[in-house]
Amino acid sequence: AQSVAQPEDQVNVAEGNPLTVKCTYSVSGNPYLFWYVQYPNRGLQFLLKYITGDNLVKGSYGFEAEFNKSQTSFHLKKPSALVSDSALYFCAVRDIGAAFSGGYNKLIFGAGTRLAVHP
Amino acid sequence: DARVTQTPRHKVTEMGQEVTMRCQPILGHNTVFWYRQTMMQGLELLAYFRNRAPLDDSGMPKDRFSAEMPDATLATLKIQPSEPRDSAVYFCASGTEGLRSEAFFGQGTRLTVV
Repeated sequence: AQSVAQPEDQVNVAEGNPLTVKCTYSVSGNPYLFWYVQYPNRGLQFLLKYITGDNLVKGSYGFEAEFNKSQTSFHLKKPSALVSDSALYFCAVRDIGAAFSGGYNKLIFGAGTRLAVHP
Repeated sequence: DARVTQTPRHKVTEMGQEVTMRCQPILGHNTVFWYRQTMMQGLELLAYFRNRAPLDDSGMPKDRFSAEMPDATLATLKIQPSEPRDSAVYFCASGTEGLRSEAFFGQGTRLTVV
């Protein structure tokens, strides 16, 4: 069964410093990976996705993520954090092997990591 | 600006009452997901529709929850009877069928059952 782990409940970063939000995944086949952000009282907003090709994916608001197949990781990064980046971040995975073997394109989310950027 | 629309945004109801949450997916999207978000469980997938047909509702308590798509522009999630443990934020998301497609989320319905 596919699963996503976000090992940190919260990440604290000073404004201007680089940030990393960690995500590891487990799938039976190849993964499609996604990052979403949730601001207070709002729905989830799509940030970026890895489908194939370059392991470094660039997304919205200056975020990027690096796919590492050997470590089954897809960590979210930003070179310089802003206070406005403070939010809840979700990693999600779609197991394309399961989808082709009779399943469907289920999108499974991690538990979320709260990012707090301090001035 | 295409977006997923959910109504109501907030709902407070008494235990035992029926609750209906509605979702209008983005025009042209043929997949619809219902998720429930709580502090304890995070985001749980309740149901998934493709071309209005339910493909998976294994995450949904069958005795009290039901999900339907009467037409391509409306998805509904009903709870009858509601219980305090159903208090959560319920999100609807829509997307295209492609595996590469991200899901687009509505703003959610915050349900409180007292």
